[in-house]
Amino acid sequence: GIQVEQSPPDLILQEGANSTLRCNFSDSVNNLQWFHQNPWGQLINLFYIPSGTKQNGRLSATTVATERYSLLYISSSQTTDSGVYFCAVTSLNYGGSQGNLIFGKGTKLSVKP
Amino acid sequence: DAGITQSPRHKVTETGTPVTLRCHQTENHRYMYWYRQDPGHGLRLIHYSYGVKDTDKGEVSDGYSVSRSKTEDFLLTLESATSSQTSVYFCAIRRDRGSGEQYFGPGTRLTVT
Repeated sequence: GIQVEQSPPDLILQEGANSTLRCNFSDSVNNLQWFHQNPWGQLINLFYIPSGTKQNGRLSATTVATERYSLLYISSSQTTDSGVYFCAVTSLNYGGSQGNLIFGKGTKLSVKP
Repeated sequence: DAGITQSPRHKVTETGTPVTLRCHQTENHRYMYWYRQDPGHGLRLIHYSYGVKDTDKGEVSDGYSVSRSKTEDFLLTLESATSSQTSVYFCAIRRDRGSGEQYFGPGTRLTVT
């Protein structure tokens, strides 16, 4: 099946720092989503971004579908940004027409005050 | 939050007992999904539904069954719970219109002793 790899697995930042999280995928995708799982376990939608660039406040994301990767940028990080960030994709070659999301293992972000 | 609720939110049960988890949505989306989340694995698809009485298996379906008798409810049943089914279970919907972005419920933490 399609492989989704996220890096780095762990990241510790000082409040105010910037960071870039990466998601590589092994096949063409028709959907790509970024989620933030907060310390209480809730999965929060950040971006739906199968291609192109989007921005939402301090967060932005870029997906280069032809090169099979996506990047999530966090600027001026805050302690509330702590948690796990997941990349998830659907691929038409692997149940993508039914919307079956394949998740990476996540990047655990800790922002220190 | 796409109007998704899950019940119960927490459950402890003994090995060999049947368990049913419920997912309820208020927006009448066609597609609903059950995922499980385990340390080191991200989220993995168990079963999904594409309409009333229409369901199919996902990546980790062994030991689970599902039913959908109404658009708004999607039930996940563990016929005979095992310790390997200790996990956090998430329900999701896919919006019928627009991007097809998925949204997740708050999760159910199940412990099988």
